[in-house]
Amino acid sequence: DADVTQTPRNRITKTGKRIMLECSQTKGHDRMYWYRQDPGLGLRLIYYSFDVKDINKGEISDGYSVSRQAQAKFSLSLESAIPNQTALYFCATSDFGYDTQYFGPGTRLTVL
Amino acid sequence: AQSVAQPEDQVNVAEGNPLTVKCTYSVSGNPYLFWYVQYPNRGLQFLLKYITGDNLVKGSYGFEAEFNKSQTSFHLKKPSALVSDSALYFCAVRDSNFGNEKLTFGTGTRLTIIP
Repeated sequence: DADVTQTPRNRITKTGKRIMLECSQTKGHDRMYWYRQDPGLGLRLIYYSFDVKDINKGEISDGYSVSRQAQAKFSLSLESAIPNQTALYFCATSDFGYDTQYFGPGTRLTVL
Repeated sequence: AQSVAQPEDQVNVAEGNPLTVKCTYSVSGNPYLFWYVQYPNRGLQFLLKYITGDNLVKGSYGFEAEFNKSQTSFHLKKPSALVSDSALYFCAVRDSNFGNEKLTFGTGTRLTIIP
């Protein structure tokens, strides 16, 4: 987990606020991902990036945006947070398409 | 479209007994299959994967999984369960076709090992 870090680890915010979650990695991987985890739903892909100039929507991108500032940094933003975005958010990296994904420790976000 | 099913939300096993966590999948091409484990307040940790070759895959912490193409299954197994194996387990799949490189995760199975 130390190779992939996420900040903050916990965040409580109010409806309508803009929130940014940050992910950094020291693994040297080109590919980075953002997932959200909800009880009973598993992990769902929000956005993914195969390199700095490549950003792709996942299955649940509405209400979210991302920025790939560098190979090592991939940020997720909630432009106007709503309560149903309360979830556990994970960043992950991988070196090649079928290779293992390595996950960060997660950010627990609560939107009141 | 690719999908994964973990039919059991909860599995309870006595310590020392063998354990099985079930996973079935659906992809249009050949599958790449993964098992991850999540301990409380932690991210997901990789356990093992099947890409090609031997149908029996061995991974971390004594876990193994068997790829069965005819049954489209990839069940996770361990011969003798430990209390420390108690965690949330996720199966994941992706299609081997280049260009479709997203993982799809199952909903997870909570494994509880009873002392």
